[in-house]
Amino acid sequence: SQTIHQWPATLVQPVGSPLSLECTVEGTSNPNLYWYRQAAGRGLQLLFYSVGIGQISSEVPQNLSASRPQDRQFILSSKKLLLSDSGFYLCAWSVFQYGYTFGSGTRLTVV
Amino acid sequence: GQQLNQSPQSMFIQEGEDVSMNCTSSSIFNTWLWYKQDPGEGPVLLIALYKAGELTSNGRLTAQFGITRKDSFLNISASIPSDVGIYFCAGEGSQGNLIFGKGTKLSVKP
Repeated sequence: SQTIHQWPATLVQPVGSPLSLECTVEGTSNPNLYWYRQAAGRGLQLLFYSVGIGQISSEVPQNLSASRPQDRQFILSSKKLLLSDSGFYLCAWSVFQYGYTFGSGTRLTVV
Repeated sequence: GQQLNQSPQSMFIQEGEDVSMNCTSSSIFNTWLWYKQDPGEGPVLLIALYKAGELTSNGRLTAQFGITRKDSFLNISASIPSDVGIYFCAGEGSQGNLIFGKGTKLSVKP
């Protein structure tokens, strides 16, 4: 069966520090992968999606970047975090765009 | 771009009550999905709708894909405390990505 792993679950980072969040998927090949951000009390904002290795589409220009070094690995990064980067980050995968499956999320607090 | 308007934004429920929420859009969607998110967790798929007019149930949950393909509703019958959370509608956009509504937060009446 397919599973999605996202870590860490929580993270507190100082302003200006780098960020690396990792997401891996098991049990499927060539999935579409997504990074979403959810600010407190708000909906889901699509940040990046990838349809294959090395293929990244950015939905919102910002302080973040994404990479897909392997078929089932998706990484969200930042060189220098801002206070406004705080939020709940969710990784998701899908095949044929139906029924996204989400990871359990990473709560990032930038202090 | 394509957007979904989800309402209500929040609501309070009393155990045993029926609950209804909906999503509308000015754009046509080919697929409608409903998710539930518990605090500190990722959203979990509840119901997927693939055809206009389709009515689908999952236990106490019922969702319908509007005939015009521009709206969908979710009903929860005989609510229980564990129904609290945030419910999201989502539609498959023209580029194959999912577009989410802003969510309906369900809380228990004090």
